[in-house]
Amino acid sequence: GQQVMQIPQYQHVQEGEDFTTYCNSSTTLSNIQWYKQRPGGHPVFLIQLVKSGEVKKQKRLTFQFGEAKKNSSLHITATQTTDVGTYFCAVIQGAQKLVFGQGTRLTINP
Amino acid sequence: DTEVTQTPKHLVMGMTNKKSLKCEQHMGHRAMYWYKQKAKKPPELMFVYSYEKLSINESVPSRFSPECPNSSLLNLHLHALQPEDSALYLCASSFSGTGNQPQHFGDGTRLSIL
Repeated sequence: GQQVMQIPQYQHVQEGEDFTTYCNSSTTLSNIQWYKQRPGGHPVFLIQLVKSGEVKKQKRLTFQFGEAKKNSSLHITATQTTDVGTYFCAVIQGAQKLVFGQGTRLTINP
Repeated sequence: DTEVTQTPKHLVMGMTNKKSLKCEQHMGHRAMYWYKQKAKKPPELMFVYSYEKLSINESVPSRFSPECPNSSLLNLHLHALQPEDSALYLCASSFSGTGNQPQHFGDGTRLSIL
């Protein structure tokens, strides 16, 4: 089944610095979803990417889907303390099973 | 604010106890999910219910027994759990059971097995 490798596992930045997390698959993906989980919280859906080369923005967050639909990235510009949490990419395996990447834990020094 | 409600938020139980986790959503979603999440790990799928029928069981031990009484409710019955079953149990729902739908998660139940 489809799996994704997500890097880095951890990222610590100074507030105001940028942050990027990457997900890579060895197979072509039909779509990819991104979730954020705050410390002590639950995953919250951020976005879904479907089209090859797609780029979507949500305020300071930029999501990209690779041209070959095998990789994706989430970039945060000028991080704020509210961005702290773990960011997961997730892909569908089969028709219904959502498989999460290992996640990137973002910590921020204010 | 979460639109998927899970109870209880915390549960401590012995290995011989029987307890149930409950999940409720009123968004009209027809697919509901149970996930297990260990600390610093991603959620792992346990069960999927689609239109109130069990569609996926990820080879979960029989000491976990899911139930979907109606389209809004999902239960997870627990019996004779092991210490390694201690984890955060997350319920989620989506509009349908197809893979292109976002999933909405509840706050989870933090389960500790003594």
